[in-house]
Order: sequence, then C-alpha cells, then structure tokens
Amino acid sequence: AQKVTQAQTEISVVEKEDVTLDCVYETRDTTYYLFWYKQPPSGELVFLIRRNSFDEQNEISGRYSWNFQKSTSSFNFTITASQVVDSAVYFCALTYTGNQFYFGTGTSLTVIP
Amino acid sequence: KAGVTQTPRYLIKTRGQQVTLSCSPISGHRSVSWYQQTPGQGLQFLFEYFSETQRNKGNFPGRFSGRQFSNSRSEMNVSTLELGDSALYLCASSGGDGQETQYFGPGTRLLVL
Repeated sequence: AQKVTQAQTEISVVEKEDVTLDCVYETRDTTYYLFWYKQPPSGELVFLIRRNSFDEQNEISGRYSWNFQKSTSSFNFTITASQVVDSAVYFCALTYTGNQFYFGTGTSLTVIP
Repeated sequence: KAGVTQTPRYLIKTRGQQVTLSCSPISGHRSVSWYQQTPGQGLQFLFEYFSETQRNKGNFPGRFSGRQFSNSRSEMNVSTLELGDSALYLCASSGGDGQETQYFGPGTRLLVL
C-alpha cells in the first residue's frame, strides 16, 4: 500500500526563520516518484519538485532545499529565510505508476511578518 | 504553454441536481486526472483518463463519472448531488507516457446547498 504522512498539520514561523516540512512515505515498490506541491489560498497546486527513487541527491533551488533519505523513507523540505509569500499549504505526494498520486494531508505554513 | 484550465471556477447547486465540470490539459498532455479536495478528507483521487480511456479509478461512488475527448479535454460529472460533494475539484494533466509530473489547474469550487 502507498501512504504519505505529513505529521505537521500547521506551522507558524517568523519571517526570515528557516523551516522544515516533514514527509514520510510508505511503498513496496522499488521505483517510485516523490513530489512537493504548494497550494496558496487561490487553490491551485503548484509543482515544486520531483524526485525518483533512484536519485537520493539532495537538491537546492534558491531558498528551497529537499532532503531525500530512502533509509528513513523521508523526503523533507526546508525553506531558508522564510518570507510571507511562502505562506501556503504544502503537500508531499507519491506515485509509482505516474497516473495515480497519493497525497499527504498537507502542512499549513504561516509566515508572520 | 498555457496551463491547465478548468471551468467553471465556482458553482452552486442544490441537492439532487447534477453537475459537469470541464478540464483542458496542457497542450500535448494526454493524461488527465481528477481529485476531490475537502477539509476533512484532504486530496482524494477520483479517476484518470488517458487517450479517452479510464486507466485508474479511486474509491468513489458511481455518481462520479468522467470522460475524455479526442483532444484530451476531460469532463467529470456528478449526478444526484449530496451536501458532502461540496469540495474543490482539481484537474491535473501529464504526458501520460512515463512523464510523471502532474500539473494542476486552479480547480472548481462546488457548493451544494
């Protein structure tokens, strides 16, 4: 069975603080893909990153970084020097077929100015 | 390229009515997936279409149906609406041929009274 757990329901940070959003997944497949999406108040899910199961390299994109560890089945997302515009709900997702995504319950991030 | 578009953006219906939502994928994308998002259940997969065929289906009653046209545009229909069908309905498109990233539209907010 495929499952994604985002244990943090809500997080509040003060602007410029760093924040890490946790994602733990379960799958029996050896080939799978992990994603992070951002959902601002407007509702549209915005794609942030995709990682396949064979690529454990961490990735940095500006203030965003992702840490993928197969040993702990985790795919965590860190925002450095948070900004008010980062306030949104962030979803971690897993797919093995590429057609059906399994989403976590999301983490609502509020950045306080 | 234009993104995924969904119409209408907002809809108010009464119990017992039916509704049809439309989704136009990114040009060249052949796979369209539908999700229901509610505060209580989170993001739940409805179904996925590829080349006019339903490839995957989530655990929803038969009142929820969909179809895909030859130009990859997709519609989903909900018959005999219930109050619990009030939700944000999101459509996502992807290449469908191993291109696993799904790109989401802005969603249709359905309110059932």
